[in-house]
Amino acid sequence: AQSVTQLGSHVSVSEGALVLLRCNYSSSVPPYLFWYVQYPNQGLQLLLKYTSAATLVKGINGFEAEFKKSETSFHLTKPSAHMSDAAEYFCAVSEGAGGGADGLTFGKGTHLIIQP
Amino acid sequence: GAVVSQHPSWVICKSGTSVKIECRSLDFQATTMFWYRQFPKQSLMLMATSNEGSKATYEQGVEKDKFLINHASLTLSTLTVTSAHPEDSSFYICSAAHRGTYEQYFGPGTRLTVT
Repeated sequence: AQSVTQLGSHVSVSEGALVLLRCNYSSSVPPYLFWYVQYPNQGLQLLLKYTSAATLVKGINGFEAEFKKSETSFHLTKPSAHMSDAAEYFCAVSEGAGGGADGLTFGKGTHLIIQP
Repeated sequence: GAVVSQHPSWVICKSGTSVKIECRSLDFQATTMFWYRQFPKQSLMLMATSNEGSKATYEQGVEKDKFLINHASLTLSTLTVTSAHPEDSSFYICSAAHRGTYEQYFGPGTRLTVT
């Protein structure tokens, strides 16, 4: 069975500092991996996804994530935090052959706080 | 583009009654729709997968007779919580997989409170 672990339920960084949100996964087959962002009272928005192409994946809003098979990790980074990045971030995994068209297993989420 | 709506956005109902939640893909056709449940400050848990015109597939531990799912068209799926109880109070989120790209898009969620 697949699973996702997000280290740190809350992460606080200063505006302009590096953002690093950690995600480790467990999967019996090569996984599809996703990062989603959820702003208050809004639906989840896809930041980026890994689908077995390039291991370094670039997403929207300046975020990127690197797939490391040996570490079973898919950490999310952004070089310089902005106040608008404050939100809840979810890492998710899918083992299905349908890429994004399969039910996802989500991590518990990380609340990102940006300090002015 | 690729917008998914849910209706209602919030609902309060009395214990023992049934509540229907709609999930619509507004500008694309969805081969598959998913229903998730999110408890406060917790992750989303997949409840069921529905394909247009066929019976939904429920995850282990989800009562299919309690959470009725109908996927009548390529743009509409409904979740009916039957004989609701306070423990069914939660945030229900749907997502729809784009028929062409298989990209999955999420609705804004429906908050259900059972009193």
